[in-house]
Amino acid sequence: GAGVSQSPSNKVTEKGKDVELRCDPISGHTALYWYRQSLGQGLEFLIYFQGNSAPDKSGLPSDRFSAERTGGSVSTLTIQRTQQEDSAVYLCASSLGTQGGIDEQFFGPGTRLTVL
Amino acid sequence: QKEVEQNSGPLSVPEGAIASLNCTYSDRGSQSFFWYRQYSGKSPELIMSIYSNGDKEDGRFTAQLNKASQYVSLLIRDSQPSDSATYLCAVNNVNTNAGKSTFGDGTTLTVKP
Repeated sequence: GAGVSQSPSNKVTEKGKDVELRCDPISGHTALYWYRQSLGQGLEFLIYFQGNSAPDKSGLPSDRFSAERTGGSVSTLTIQRTQQEDSAVYLCASSLGTQGGIDEQFFGPGTRLTVL
Repeated sequence: QKEVEQNSGPLSVPEGAIASLNCTYSDRGSQSFFWYRQYSGKSPELIMSIYSNGDKEDGRFTAQLNKASQYVSLLIRDSQPSDSATYLCAVNNVNTNAGKSTFGDGTTLTVKP
């Protein structure tokens, strides 16, 4: 079946512009994560959606970052007034859900964001 | 102290050797443990999950879990150059953080021909 998809695969924008990154999780997966990864660095957790629960936004680095998940499926990560330090690969992952801790995550290919 | 700690490496082993990757975690109540492999320029992919103390084998990979000592390890037997990647450990406690998994920063493995 189809895996996690993300769009666009690459995004180049100018400093100060807003960008939207999209994630389509695997059908039936109730948990969805957004991560950021800078070159040579580990995964930086951004936000976590689990079913109908309020999202865990504890990883969002500033109020310029926001995310929503519509209908328990597609998610959009929005970065307002982009800065050069926002340049990174943004990864989305989904899992069946975390009941019992069975949180086997499947990652999308990522969106490489470059802010000029 | 980080919640999940891994040696960043790089860990270098010769082809055919056993590579041993270690991960320690701070949340004693954690129930689920995962190893992901990330090739350079690619996304992480799940290679092993382990939920009970002891060993779990899958082909050349063996995950070892010791909850009392709060560590989980990944052994790669007969290492191949194609195993060269960064290995990420993830830990989950369904009773905390709303079940969100926490990742370590990864260990970079290089297998030399």
